[in-house]
Formats: sequence, structure tokens, C-alpha cells
Amino acid sequence: QVQLQESGPGLVKPSETLSLTCAVSGGSVSSRSDYWSWVRQPPGKELEWIGYIYNSGSTNYNPSLNSRVTISADTSKNQFSLKLSSVTAADTAVYYCGRRQRLALGDALDIWGQGTMVTVSS
Amino acid sequence: AIQMTQSPSSLSASVGDRVTITCRASQGIKKDLGWYQQKPGKAPKLLIYAASALQSGVPSRFSGSGSGTDFTLTISSLQPEDFVTYYCLQDYSYPLTFGQGTKLEIK
Repeated sequence: QVQLQESGPGLVKPSETLSLTCAVSGGSVSSRSDYWSWVRQPPGKELEWIGYIYNSGSTNYNPSLNSRVTISADTSKNQFSLKLSSVTAADTAVYYCGRRQRLALGDALDIWGQGTMVTVSS
Repeated sequence: AIQMTQSPSSLSASVGDRVTITCRASQGIKKDLGWYQQKPGKAPKLLIYAASALQSGVPSRFSGSGSGTDFTLTISSLQPEDFVTYYCLQDYSYPLTFGQGTKLEIK
């Protein structure tokens, strides 16, 4: 059973870089069938897809964040990471990592981490 | 980006009621749509994928239908634990996009 666990600072200063890690257990970030994703949710608001990393190197980002986002994978630690640069208060959110994979009848984000709250404030 | 318009934004119902939530895509997405349930302070949980496929372990009172641009999530007989928030997610094209959410409230 795949499990995901986010970790990282809960407070980031404006203009700095937000860095989070998602540890994967029961699965592999090197898997060619899984897309390891990040999703965020500002307080009281809807969910926003940030991007994914696939096969340890191929990435796809939300154009709304494209120039500020980097997702990478560390196969030796079986984890993947999110970096979001030049943060503002608008980046305050709960950040979730997740796995998107091909299920019996189609693709889905089927496994999620518990989420980690990140506040951007000086 | 494909826009997902979810309605209603909130819905009052009673235990045992049958309710329907809808999502409309700004362009055709075949059947590439999932429904998620989110309890307060928790991560979303996959209920339905590929528009109508019930995820393993999800109660059969949840069902999904639709294709193209119009989709529905139906809960056939509401249970007390169902009064939370629901989201649709299109995974037809990137960027993946969610609906605005529907909060189910006890009448």
C-alpha cells in the first residue's frame, strides 16, 4: 500500500523559496506508471494542481505557476520535492503530494499525503 | 486551461436523501473526470474515476455518470458522514483542473 508523507517548513518569508518533500513508501518514484504530483489548497478555497514528475525526470507544471515551480525526485531516498520561488501571501496554502496512476478504467490521483500547511509571512 | 464549473456550491439535505452534484467542463473531456470527497482538515479522497468507475472500497451509494462536458455525482441515500465537501477533477488535459467544490450540509 503506497503511503505519502509531506515535510518542510511551515513558515516561509515573502520573496523566499518554499521547499517541501514528499516521502514515498510502498512504491517507487522511479516507477514508469506513476505520476508524482503536488496539489495545493489555500485556506477556505478550492484545490489547485501544481505539477508532476514522472519517471524521475519528466515534469509538467501548471502554467499559472510555471516560472516559479520546480519538481524533482531523489531516487536514492525515494522521495520527490517541490520548490516554489518568490513566494507571496497568495502562496499560503495546504500543500498535498499525490500519486496519479492508471487504474482499471482510467487515470486518477488515487493516493494523497495528509497535507502540510505553509504560511507565507514575515 | 479547461474550466470546471461545479454546482451547486452548497446543498442542504437530510439523512436518507438522494442528491446530485454536477460538473460542467468548458470543453469536451471524454470521460476523464474524477470525484473526490474532502473532510475538514483532511486530504481529498477518490470516490469515482473515469466518470463512472467506483474506486475500490467506496460505498455503492456513490455513483457517477456523464461524458463530454456534463457530469454528475449522485449519492443515493445520504449518511451522516457524507455531509462534507466534494470536488470534481478533470484529467483529460494539463493543467489538471478542479471544480470549485460543493459543501453538503445537514438540513
